[in-house]
Amino acid sequence: AQSVTQPDIHITVSEGASLELRCNYSYGATPYLFWYVQSPGQGLQLLLKYFSGDTLVQGIKGFEAEFKRSQSSFNLRKPSVHWSDAAEYFCAVVTDSWGKLQFGAGTQVVVTP
Amino acid sequence: DTGVSQDPRHKITKRGQNVTFRCDPISEHNRLYWYRQTLGQGPEFLTYFQNEAQLEKSRLLSDRFSAERPKGSFSTLEIQRTEQGDSAMYLCASSLLAGDLVGAYNEQFFGPGTRLTVL
Repeated sequence: AQSVTQPDIHITVSEGASLELRCNYSYGATPYLFWYVQSPGQGLQLLLKYFSGDTLVQGIKGFEAEFKRSQSSFNLRKPSVHWSDAAEYFCAVVTDSWGKLQFGAGTQVVVTP
Repeated sequence: DTGVSQDPRHKITKRGQNVTFRCDPISEHNRLYWYRQTLGQGPEFLTYFQNEAQLEKSRLLSDRFSAERPKGSFSTLEIQRTEQGDSAMYLCASSLLAGDLVGAYNEQFFGPGTRLTVL
């Protein structure tokens, strides 16, 4: 069965520091992977997606992610975080041809001054 | 604003009551999804529609849950005889199915959700 694991429940990072959020997936075929962000009281917003091709994917808000098939990982990175990046981040994989998403449990990011 | 909208944003009800939520997808989006998100968890799939056809229901969707999408536009999710375990955020998302394979996985646009509290 497909699964998505986000090992870090909570991460605290200083403003201006770099950020990396981990995501591991278990999926038999080529996975279609997404990173979403959820701010309090808001819906989920897509940061970036990977379907095929270049394994380094650029997204919105200065985020990027790298797909590593050998490690079954799709980690999200940002070189320098801003206070507005405080939110919950979800990794997700498409599990069927209808686009159904399976999400990880999420990583809560806290940004300190 | 042409995003996905959901109504109400918050609902507090007593155990045993029925509740209904509405989702208005982005105009022209032919796919609509419902997810449920409990505290500390990622969203879990409940059901989806292509146009007015309900294609799949998760095992999470017990007989007390019913969803409709008449005329392939807005959708409603009804929970009958609510239980405390139904307390969660109910998220709706929509996407546009394109003709190619990759287009089958077009971005899902999420609404702000309806937070249900069952007392």
